[in-house]
Amino acid sequence: GAGVSQSPRYKVAKRGQDVALRCDPISGHVSLFWYQQALGQGPEFLTYFQNEAQLDKSGLPSDRFFAERPEGSVSTLKIQRTQQEDSAVYLCASSLTGGVLSYEQYFGPGTRLTVT
Amino acid sequence: AQSVAQPEDQVNVAEGNPLTVKCTYSVSGNPYLFWYVQYPNRGLQFLLKYITGDNLVKGSYGFEAEFNKSQTSFHLKKPSALVSDSALYFCAVRDRDNYGQNFVFGPGTRLSVLP
Repeated sequence: GAGVSQSPRYKVAKRGQDVALRCDPISGHVSLFWYQQALGQGPEFLTYFQNEAQLDKSGLPSDRFFAERPEGSVSTLKIQRTQQEDSAVYLCASSLTGGVLSYEQYFGPGTRLTVT
Repeated sequence: AQSVAQPEDQVNVAEGNPLTVKCTYSVSGNPYLFWYVQYPNRGLQFLLKYITGDNLVKGSYGFEAEFNKSQTSFHLKKPSALVSDSALYFCAVRDRDNYGQNFVFGPGTRLSVLP
C-alpha cells in the first residue's frame, strides 16, 4: 500500500523566501508528526497533530515555522523568511492511532531544504 | 526530560559476524523504545519496539533488541550480519507516562558490514 509521501523532495530557497512543504500521510492515520533532521544528526521533533488538532508544537524553533492539517489528512509545514540555519531534511511521519497508543511511526522520504 | 545516547558513531563488523548497536536512554517515567533504520535518500524504517512484556524483542530482518531496565539500555543485535544491513540506525524513546507525543531520537550509529 501507499506509504507517507512528501513533496517536494528537494527545495532550494534564497534566504528570506517563504517555503511550503507538503506531507501526505498514510490514509486513515490519526497522528502526524514533523521532524527536522540536520546533517549527521537524529531527527528532532517539531510538532504533532491528532487529526486536525495541533496538540504539541513545542519543537518549532521560531515563530517563522507554522504547520497546519486543516482536514485531518494532508499537512503543510511553512517556513517564512528562510534562514541558512533552516537548511535540513524535514521528515513527516504518521501513526495509526492517537494518544498513548501511537506506537511506531511511519516516515516519509523527507524534503531536503537548502537555503542559499 | 527524555534523552537517548548512542555512544558509537560508527560500528564496523564483518559479514556473518554478530553485530551490536548500543543505545541507552533517560526518561522520568517508563519508556517506550524503538529502533529505526535509514538507508541513503530514504525515510526512516521501523525495525522493532519495546512497549511492555518480554524484555527480548524481535523485529524485522532478523534484528532483535533487549530492554534492560537496570542499565537503561536497549541494544540492537543480530546474530549474523549481512552487507545489506549497512545503514544508519537510530534509537528512539517516548516516555510512557507523559501523554505528550514527543519521540526523542538518538544521534544515530552508522553500521558498516564488510564483505
